[in-house]
Amino acid sequence: DGGITQSPKYLFRKEGQNVTLSCEQNLNHDAMYWYRQDPGQGLRLIYYSQIVNDFQKGDIAEGYSVSREKKESFPLTVTSAQKNPTAFYLCASSASGSSYEQYFGPGTRLTVT
Amino acid sequence: GENVEQHPSTLSVQEGDSAVIKCTYSDSASNYFPWYKQELGKRPQLIIDIRSNVGEKKDQRIAVTLNKTAKHFSLHITETQPEDSAVYFCAAKKNTGFQKLVFGTGTRLLVSP
Repeated sequence: DGGITQSPKYLFRKEGQNVTLSCEQNLNHDAMYWYRQDPGQGLRLIYYSQIVNDFQKGDIAEGYSVSREKKESFPLTVTSAQKNPTAFYLCASSASGSSYEQYFGPGTRLTVT
Repeated sequence: GENVEQHPSTLSVQEGDSAVIKCTYSDSASNYFPWYKQELGKRPQLIIDIRSNVGEKKDQRIAVTLNKTAKHFSLHITETQPEDSAVYFCAAKKNTGFQKLVFGTGTRLLVSP
């Protein structure tokens, strides 16, 4: 299960606070992704990055921000503007933008009360 | 953009039976179709994929079939075992430039002993 890690596994925050989720990979992958998973729903893309210092909004980017300063790292910040932040967040990476497999991290379960 | 529909949302079978999960896609230019398995609380993991230049691919008890004309693809699991119980996601993407994976909403498979 090594290669792509997320921390922490569980995260609790009060409403109105920003929180940053960590994602690190040592697979030398160019592309990285953030997905949100809610019960009964599929994987919804938040942000993705093809290369260092470049990233694009996915389908549900409102209330989130990212950075890609290093190839290995793609942190996600859940801001107070996100209306319903409680969810399971999955980070993924792939070798390039082609049809290579996406490898997922173990996920972070964020609970905001 | 691409849209992937997945059915059924839940599937219950007896151990030893076969299970079939079906997905349809909207973009005829999509040509890569992976299937991911996600056990409870774990990360999604690729179990099989198919490209549009073949109609079927098998790997032991699992197989995927693709009908490009009808724009649908299916996952077949034979001789199901309790450890097959999980959520299964299909996905589709185009293999031109950088393209995102578009996921179905998932199928919860329960295999009863």
